[in-house]
Amino acid sequence: AAGVIQSPRHLIKEKRETATLKCYPIPRHDTVYWYQQGPGQDPQFLISFYEKMQSDKGSIPDRFSAQQFSDYHSELNMSSLELGDSALYFCASSQGGPNSPLHFGNGTRLTVT
Amino acid sequence: GNSVTQMEGPVTLSEEAFLTINCTYTATGYPSLFWYVQYPGEGLQLLLKATKADDKGSNKGFEATYRKETTSFHLEKGSVQVSDSAVYFCALDPLDSSYKLIFGSGTRLLVRP
Repeated sequence: AAGVIQSPRHLIKEKRETATLKCYPIPRHDTVYWYQQGPGQDPQFLISFYEKMQSDKGSIPDRFSAQQFSDYHSELNMSSLELGDSALYFCASSQGGPNSPLHFGNGTRLTVT
Repeated sequence: GNSVTQMEGPVTLSEEAFLTINCTYTATGYPSLFWYVQYPGEGLQLLLKATKADDKGSNKGFEATYRKETTSFHLEKGSVQVSDSAVYFCALDPLDSSYKLIFGSGTRLLVRP
């Protein structure tokens, strides 16, 4: 069965650089979520999109932005990277609405040096 | 506010031992509750869920019962296997139309042969 696809799997950037993470949801899923999981920490919600519109915003820094495109894939853009941005970034998708479980991708591991 | 509290890990068991991972929650309404599992190097996967009080979620030998009176959703398995070694996250969906999950801090399970 098709799963959530994230790219790249690994990314190494230097401080103050920019990074773009991509997420391709499961076909027919209309909702995308981004989570950040720091080393040894629980996943923290960043932002979500439903039908290409931002549906909710969590602890996402102003340096980050995201959007969902017409084909429902989503991109997380991160600028002026800081060492503390090093983390595993998960994307999840669902068909939206309450009680719809999230299906997670394998994550993108971002290392900022 | 909404929050999830899990027992700290790691939990180390021998194969075929009984597993309990405690999870309690705080919520202002009537959330849905989930257990997610994260195997090494992989994304989060939905293990089971329950959407209302006294519901029992079950999958792959794991069970958890939604206890409203004790605000708990403890994960249990009668006989663990080495392949169950992973990090387990308890999560709640507050069903407040925000479409986001609130995770506990995760409990690492190590099963020895």
